Amino acid sequence: DAMVIQNPRYQVTQFGKPVTLSCSQTLNHNVMYWYQQKSSQAPKLLFHYYDKDFNNEADTPDNFQSRRPNTSFCFLDIRSPGLGDAAMYLCATSKGSGAHEQYFGPGTRLTVT
Amino acid sequence: SQQGEEDPQALSIQEGENATMNCSYKTSINNLQWYRQNSGRGLVHLILIRSNEREKHSGRLRVTLDTSKKSSSLLITASRAADTASYFCATVYQSYNTDKLIFGTGTRLQVFP
Repeated sequence: DAMVIQNPRYQVTQFGKPVTLSCSQTLNHNVMYWYQQKSSQAPKLLFHYYDKDFNNEADTPDNFQSRRPNTSFCFLDIRSPGLGDAAMYLCATSKGSGAHEQYFGPGTRLTVT
Repeated sequence: SQQGEEDPQALSIQEGENATMNCSYKTSINNLQWYRQNSGRGLVHLILIRSNEREKHSGRLRVTLDTSKKSSSLLITASRAADTASYFCATVYQSYNTDKLIFGTGTRLQVFP
């Protein structure tokens, strides 16, 4: 049973053309996270939502935005993708504060041409 | 940067051998988690060890934690070709309403049949 679903799995966009990546979850978890992972690097947290409460990491570029219209869905918007934004984008969920594991989706690989 | 480091960066072994990966981190932690990532996929949670625990087992996995040295190790016994993946440690620190993970640099494990 799929728990954290990301669509699309592969996305190609043009330099400067806005793109939206989507994530949905069937776990009813309070928290949803977006990570960026570049080739052969560790995942890097961009931001997260606790319910509707948005938390941005200090070093996340303004070019990256997020929306969470309801518990199940969360979107990552890249307003003007640059070549340096090509990466795997991972969505994850967790129950919330405390010693909880995170559940990851399969990721969306973004290519910028 | 608070990012942890893992050692070795890459490890190649034969099926049946044991694989040991080490992780060092910089700040005090509540708990430490290990994740596996198959090539081009999302991360899968393997095991969580709390700061007051020294060792934990799960199947063929054994994790140790030494908070005085700010280090952890993951041992995979009797490795299989299917264990081929990247392994990341992640230290957990609490934001005001949730937990955040800081991933280490990862170890790429190759298990040859």
